[in-house]
Amino acid sequence: DVKVTQSSRYLVKRTGEKVFLECVQDMDHENMFWYRQDPGLGLRLIYFSYDVKMKEKGDIPEGYSVSREKKERFSLILESASTNQTSMYLCASTSPGTSGSHEQYFGPGTRLTVT
Amino acid sequence: DAKTTQPTSMDCAEGRAANLPCNHSTISGNEYVYWYRQIHSQGPQYIIHGLKNNETNEMASLIITEDRKSSTLILPHATLRDTAVYYCIVRVELGTYKYIFGTGTRLKVLA
Repeated sequence: DVKVTQSSRYLVKRTGEKVFLECVQDMDHENMFWYRQDPGLGLRLIYFSYDVKMKEKGDIPEGYSVSREKKERFSLILESASTNQTSMYLCASTSPGTSGSHEQYFGPGTRLTVT
Repeated sequence: DAKTTQPTSMDCAEGRAANLPCNHSTISGNEYVYWYRQIHSQGPQYIIHGLKNNETNEMASLIITEDRKSSTLILPHATLRDTAVYYCIVRVELGTYKYIFGTGTRLKVLA
């Protein structure tokens, strides 16, 4: 079974702190994604990566950056956390190619609270 | 990007079929429709996907209209464990794949 793990289930940080959210997948997937999920807004894409050291902005990249130094690991960075970044953060991975379902496998999520 | 619209919530009696609709009127010809569900406090879980033809697997059936502007997810015999938020998603190809989530339908299966 594909496994996507996230470093923390719950995290509390102070305004202005630098925050790192880590995501690791064990299926050698090329594509990885970071979403945030807020009530009434569904899942919104922050950043995604289709290869090591490659990254693409999603729909709401402002205030975030990412790092993909190794294929299995995709990190989301909040350079200076703000209260409006309090949210559930979900990581996902998928394999590219021309065949297969390309389904996304999600981690359990990190609930971040910025005070 | 193609967007999806879904009803906010639905109820279904246990043992009955649950039919969850989704509109994706701006979908392009090569964009797939995916369905996921999310049970409270977990990450979304893949259910099924399709392009033009109807699809069925062990979890559900997916009916896509001929013009591809809408689709319906069918859970043939809903159980209490099917209570979840169901997301209809369009997969957009931009060199790689990007998944456009809607706001989902909260399905409550009633005993």
